[in-house]
Amino acid sequence: AQSVTQLGSHVSVSEGALVLLRCNYSSSVPPYLFWYVQYPNQGLQLLLKYTSAATLVKGINGFEAEFKKSETSFHLTKPSAHMSDAAEYFCAVSRDSSASKIIFGSGTRLSIRP
Amino acid sequence: DAGITQSPRHKVTETGTPVTLRCHQTENHRYMYWYRQDPGHGLRLIHYSYGVKDTDKGEVSDGYSVSRSKTEDFLLTLESATSSQTSVYFCAISESSGNTEAFFGQGTRLTVV
Repeated sequence: AQSVTQLGSHVSVSEGALVLLRCNYSSSVPPYLFWYVQYPNQGLQLLLKYTSAATLVKGINGFEAEFKKSETSFHLTKPSAHMSDAAEYFCAVSRDSSASKIIFGSGTRLSIRP
Repeated sequence: DAGITQSPRHKVTETGTPVTLRCHQTENHRYMYWYRQDPGHGLRLIHYSYGVKDTDKGEVSDGYSVSRSKTEDFLLTLESATSSQTSVYFCAISESSGNTEAFFGQGTRLTVV
């Protein structure tokens, strides 16, 4: 069975500070991992995805994530937070199977302090 | 934007009544999903489909049923709505399994009174 755990339901950082959102996964087979962002009153949109091509994945809006198999982690980072980054972020896991499903974590709300 | 339309966008219904939510796509994607979003729980998978007439249960399927008779439509039915089913429901689609991106609809806010 696959699952993801997001540590911290709410993270608050100052504008210009490092953003670190944590995600740990559980999967019996090599996983595909994703980060999605949700702005208020909207659906989710993809930030980035890991598909085994490279362990460091760059996404949109300056975000990146590193896949660490030894730690079963896929943490999301951004060197310098911007006010527009305030949103809810979801980590998700899937696998390569004809009946595959996408499982999401519980989400982390990111707040940016001026 | 991916062509996904959820209807209705908002609905208030009474306890015990059946409710059907519709997800319509114009992308011809094979996979379709229904999630519910609740504070503190993130998105939880209700049911999903990996082809016409091919569906399977997710994490929170009790009280829900789905049907997919055409590639473009995935219906979610609450057989007898309860207050615990008050939530925001999202439909998503993806072209294939595994490493492909899921595209989300705008959501349906359902209130059961």
